[in-house]
Amino acid sequence: DTAVSQTPKYLVTQMGNDKSIKCEQNLGHDTMYWYKQDSKKFLKIMFSYNNKELIINETVPNRFSPKSPDKAHLNLHINSLELGDSAVYFCASSLGISPLHFGNGTRLTVT
Amino acid sequence: DAKTTQPTSMDCAEGRAANLPCNHSTISGNEYVYWYRQIHSQGPQYIIHGLKNNETNEMASLIITEDRKSSTLILPHATLRDTAVYYCIVNILAGGGNKLTFGTGTQLKVEL
Repeated sequence: DTAVSQTPKYLVTQMGNDKSIKCEQNLGHDTMYWYKQDSKKFLKIMFSYNNKELIINETVPNRFSPKSPDKAHLNLHINSLELGDSAVYFCASSLGISPLHFGNGTRLTVT
Repeated sequence: DAKTTQPTSMDCAEGRAANLPCNHSTISGNEYVYWYRQIHSQGPQYIIHGLKNNETNEMASLIITEDRKSSTLILPHATLRDTAVYYCIVNILAGGGNKLTFGTGTQLKVEL
């Protein structure tokens, strides 16, 4: 019954690989987000989708591509992984202007 | 860039009130003050938010100064489970997406 769930929880992969992180929310929210938390613990927004439409796109390499098949899902695809992509990635959701609900994160390690 | 300034760390005895300050001297009239916390290895958790009036919910109280340049989050009876990084964020409530900008936060350590 987790509100915002991400899979996998841990992801270890080699440089150059392509990987995906999945996110699902069962709260009926209309907006979903991806945040990145780096090794220094700074949390930065990457993308936001409202009703399957991209509305926030920060300065993120185009190797990162979000995909929202429906309002309850926002997946993150990363191509040609680099060492600097290692971080914890958090998915979140909100309904309109309501506060964000975050998932518990996906720890990505690129070797 | 974060628009808030918070102490890096604070300690609090269990059972006592934890008062976490936040300065936001450049806050604009339509920006709200939000508080989130992040317990180790978990996602950020919403606590409370307000515009200019003091707010209280089951988790905490938020006191905003009259000039809105600073605020204090109060955990009335801190427990060990309240040990976390607390983030104070100013943000415009806008439909279609809340672009929260997290700063470095305050590491609150609740001890016996």
